[in-house]
Amino acid sequence: GAGVSQTPSNKVTEKGKYVELRCDPISGHTALYWYRQSLGQGPEFLIYFQGTGAADDSGLPNDRFFAVRPEGSVSTLKIQRTERGDSAVYLCASSQGQGAALSTDTQYFGPGTRLTVL
Amino acid sequence: SQKIEQNSEALNIQEGKTATLTCNYTNYSPAYLQWYRQDPGRGPVFLLLIRENEKEKRKERLKVTFDTTLKQSLFHITASQPADSATYLCALEPGGFKTIFGAGTRLFVKA
Repeated sequence: GAGVSQTPSNKVTEKGKYVELRCDPISGHTALYWYRQSLGQGPEFLIYFQGTGAADDSGLPNDRFFAVRPEGSVSTLKIQRTERGDSAVYLCASSQGQGAALSTDTQYFGPGTRLTVL
Repeated sequence: SQKIEQNSEALNIQEGKTATLTCNYTNYSPAYLQWYRQDPGRGPVFLLLIRENEKEKRKERLKVTFDTTLKQSLFHITASQPADSATYLCALEPGGFKTIFGAGTRLFVKA
C-alpha cells in the first residue's frame, strides 16, 4: 500500500484482557514509531524502532506494554491486563530512518486503532 | 517542567481571513519545530519544519515563525478556506528520536 496501515481500526475489549495492535509501515521505511492519543490531546510518544530493535522505549507507561518488530517491517504493540485508562487511539508512524537526516526524516502516520477498554 | 502549550480554545475565523495559531514551549531548546495537521479520525500529517536558525518559513498559504528567545512559534494560514478546518499540532524533538506534541488547536473556517 501507499501509506501506513493499522489494524484493527477499532478494538473493544474488557478490563484485564490482552490485546495486540498491528502496524504496517510504508515499504522501505526503517524507522517506526508508536504513539497514544487521548481525546483532546496530542500524540504521546511510546516507542521508536530503528530496524528490528527498539532504540527508545522510554514512553511505554509500564511493563504491561510491549512492542515488537521482528523482521524490521510490521510491528505489533501488545498490551497485557488492559485497564480502562488504556482507552485511547494508538497511532503508528514510519519514516525513512537511518541514513536520512533527522531534521528531514518526515514521519507518516497511519489512521490509528481506537482501543476501548470496558 | 517541560511543556508545549497551544491554545486549547478553538479558533473560529471567516473564510478569506488569516488564521494565526500559537505554540509556546518551556524548558526545551529544540533545534527545530514542526507543525502537523490532523483531521478527525485520521493521523497527523506533516506540514512544515522550521529550524532554530530560521526566523520564517513559507509553503504556499502557510507561514511559520520561530522565536527561540520567546520560545514561541506562530503558524499562519493566509486566505483561509473551509477546507483548512482541522486541528493543528506543533511538535518538537528534544533530543534523540522522541517527538513531543502539543495538544493542538482546532481551527474552524466559516464560509
